[in-house]
Amino acid sequence: DQQVKQNSPSLSVQEGRISILNCDYTNSMFDYFLWYKKYPAEGPTFLISISSIKDKNEDGRFTVFLNKSAKHLSLHIVPSQPGDSAVYFCAVSSPNSGGSNYKLTFGKGTLLTVNP
Amino acid sequence: EPEVTQTPSHQVTQMGQEVILRCVPISNHLYFYWYRQILGQKVEFLVSFYNNEISEKSEIFDDQFSVERPDGSNFTLKIRSTKLEDSAMYFCASSEEGGTEAFFGQGTRLTVV
Repeated sequence: DQQVKQNSPSLSVQEGRISILNCDYTNSMFDYFLWYKKYPAEGPTFLISISSIKDKNEDGRFTVFLNKSAKHLSLHIVPSQPGDSAVYFCAVSSPNSGGSNYKLTFGKGTLLTVNP
Repeated sequence: EPEVTQTPSHQVTQMGQEVILRCVPISNHLYFYWYRQILGQKVEFLVSFYNNEISEKSEIFDDQFSVERPDGSNFTLKIRSTKLEDSAMYFCASSEEGGTEAFFGQGTRLTVV
């Protein structure tokens, strides 16, 4: 049951360059998409999100793009910094049957390494 | 900045014993969650909790598991009769009413021996 797929287990980029992290999902009913960053021995930290009614959301160095027809989203980090080195999880949000709280379904994550 | 706090950070228990993992969600949040991550695997949803009752649970969350909000600030996950395969990082999370961004604690590493 892989509703959310992150096909690249790792990515290495040079400091100052762009990092592009990709994610594919299977269910067109998902309505909210999120990226989390995780350092070792810490919990996931919310980074940025996008609603299904948008195709782009930007927050500083981080931009998330959503392509609903392809069921694909990506996270762009520019410029990349060594402190960005972490595991990045794509997550999709789906409300429960009551339409209230939302559970998250995560991808397996991509380990980003930004080299100085 | 408000944060979700979890205790203990690491729990070692004998197989068959009961454990209680504790969480203090962000104070104005109304939705609470438990997730777990087995080593090398993805973060998995266990249960969500709202208005003093479970609103959704996964297949993993069977009769071995229970959650409780014993007072106005704590949110607990009880695992009865622990098994080796329960060894994992357990993350508590909370979100605002209607919010979709869940904020996670630092996790409790549970080791069943």
